[in-house]
Amino acid sequence: DAGITQSPRHKVTETGTPVTLRCHQTENHRYMYWYRQDPGHGLRLIHYSYGVKDTDKGEVSDGYSVSRSKTEDFLLTLESATSSQTSVYFCAIRFDRAYEQFFGPGTRLTVL
Amino acid sequence: KNEVEQSPQNLTAQEGEFITINCSYSVGISALHWLQQHPGGGIVSLFMLSSGKKKHGRLIATINIQEKHSSLHITASHPRDSAVYICAVDGATNKLIFGTGTLLAVQP
Repeated sequence: DAGITQSPRHKVTETGTPVTLRCHQTENHRYMYWYRQDPGHGLRLIHYSYGVKDTDKGEVSDGYSVSRSKTEDFLLTLESATSSQTSVYFCAIRFDRAYEQFFGPGTRLTVL
Repeated sequence: KNEVEQSPQNLTAQEGEFITINCSYSVGISALHWLQQHPGGGIVSLFMLSSGKKKHGRLIATINIQEKHSSLHITASHPRDSAVYICAVDGATNKLIFGTGTLLAVQP
């Protein structure tokens, strides 16, 4: 599993509340990614990071922010959750000298 | 048009059948990935390939760079192969582009 954990694994929240999802890795890989997975859309990139404090937007970044203050942690924040952000969120890491990505177990987020 | 297209979107097979899932892409790539996701489960990397063919157990993946096409074959399919199979390409941008997946159901 390449040492990737996500927390929480499940969360139910209300519209307008802030939510932070955490991705943690144990192997000091440089690249980390946040995706969301929705029926009919497949996996879509929200944000990614290529090092501490180095992040960039993906194709569906509106309404999301990220932070990476330590190599091992990549945080995804929904400043004010909306029902359209109900989804399954996956974190992934990429080995530094390879193209292969390894995925965390996912977080199921429901915004009521 | 999506940059990565998979076919079929849904596939039902009988146990023991030979299965083929196709992936076509329209961008230049450095690598192509096949991923597997069981219902309610996590995402597992099956193959990463940039040329030719790879085999792992009953799974075979091929890629034709000139035609921008890859296939995933499953020989002697089994109900435990039931899952979503996802094709993704790496355009050397450090980001993957995903297909929408193929839902495979193998019936006993």
